[in-house]
Amino acid sequence: GQNIDQPTEMTATEGAIVQINCTYQTSGFNGLFWYQQHAGEAPTFLSYNVLDGLEEKGRFSSFLSRSKGYSYLLLKELQMKDSASYLCAVRDWQGQNFVFGPGTRLSVLP
Amino acid sequence: GAVVSQHPSWVICKSGTSVKIECRSLDFQATTMFWYRQFPKQSLMLMATSNEGSKATYEQGVEKDKFLINHASLTLSTLTVTSAHPEDSSFYICSARGGEGDTIYFGEGSWLTVV
Repeated sequence: GQNIDQPTEMTATEGAIVQINCTYQTSGFNGLFWYQQHAGEAPTFLSYNVLDGLEEKGRFSSFLSRSKGYSYLLLKELQMKDSASYLCAVRDWQGQNFVFGPGTRLSVLP
Repeated sequence: GAVVSQHPSWVICKSGTSVKIECRSLDFQATTMFWYRQFPKQSLMLMATSNEGSKATYEQGVEKDKFLINHASLTLSTLTVTSAHPEDSSFYICSARGGEGDTIYFGEGSWLTVV
């Protein structure tokens, strides 16, 4: 079956670092994606991992371990505008299906 | 980066009428487009997957006669909500698959209110 888990909610302080975890069990694997979704808006693409390791993009980094079925999104120097939901999505082996996690709602406090 | 445009952003319609939402991939060809609906503070719910030139594949529980999907070209898919009811009021989001890394990119979303 397809299953993706993320924490439901997280809270962090402005300027801090936060790590949002994602674990997955899917029928094959062909890439893991992270999206940011602000309330009332559509998701926007953040990052993409297909090989193990860390991908860095400015304040955001994403890590993947395929053997553990695990990824995390790391947000540094948090800003108030980073308050949003963060969605983890996995593309299956044949690349036909994307499965989305439930999303993690991050609140950044002053 | 790849751009997906969705129109209209907001629409209000009367019960019993139909409303069409368009989804366009502006700078890449999308062999597959997806339609979702989302209720406040809830996850995306996949409604259907559409491939260019073929019939859409609907998720369990989604009425294909009520939510008509047409994917006439590699850059355009439309969702028509037929005989709309107030319970159809929701945020509808499309996404298109393609571009670098064969990624999914989302449209801006459409808020539908049925009165």
